[in-house]
Amino acid sequence: SQQGEEDPQALSIQEGENATMNCSYKTSINNLQWYRQNSGRGLVHLILIRSNEREKHSGRLRVTLDTSKKSSSLLITASRAADTASYFCATDAASGSRLTFGEGTQLTVNP
Amino acid sequence: DVKVTQSSRYLVKRTGEKVFLECVQDMDHENMFWYRQDPGLGLRLIYFSYDVKMKEKGDIPEGYSVSREKKERFSLILESASTNQTSMYLCASSTSGRPGYEQYFGPGTRLTVT
Repeated sequence: SQQGEEDPQALSIQEGENATMNCSYKTSINNLQWYRQNSGRGLVHLILIRSNEREKHSGRLRVTLDTSKKSSSLLITASRAADTASYFCATDAASGSRLTFGEGTQLTVNP
Repeated sequence: DVKVTQSSRYLVKRTGEKVFLECVQDMDHENMFWYRQDPGLGLRLIYFSYDVKMKEKGDIPEGYSVSREKKERFSLILESASTNQTSMYLCASSTSGRPGYEQYFGPGTRLTVT
């Protein structure tokens, strides 16, 4: 089964609202990454948080990591219609050698 | 900026054909990856490579093979295409050290096998 699982599967909000997506994983990790995918395109790396970090910011993005709960959240503040995309978490397992992606959250931001 | 290119955005092939999907990256990355993406299943790793002429199986290698003769190029081969290989194929690359470093993706190839 997938190492990372996102929640919710789909999220629809109004422009200006905040969007929160969650990711849970099963094994110890070195880092957790979030990616974004616009419809029919490749993935774009957004942010990486290491296992010894608890929170990280990048522009309107805020990522938290709770290794005791094996979970992470991605917050997008003041959302824009252009944020409409699928968002994936990916984990780099401590014992492994590659990234494992979740199934993604489809975010729709309505103008 | 890292650029990862894939040979085709859309491809239509017939059952039984041999299919080549090409991926090229221009940042001298050691690691390259092939994924397929299907609705409800997310991204699944088919094969990856740490270096030239080196390959490792991912989660779903059956029906696929790969070739890495040059550092910048990683090819995915469908030996005999089947309808269940209709999917979006994504190539990615990353720098050395650990394959868990951030990955740079190509635009994807949407393959339809009829």
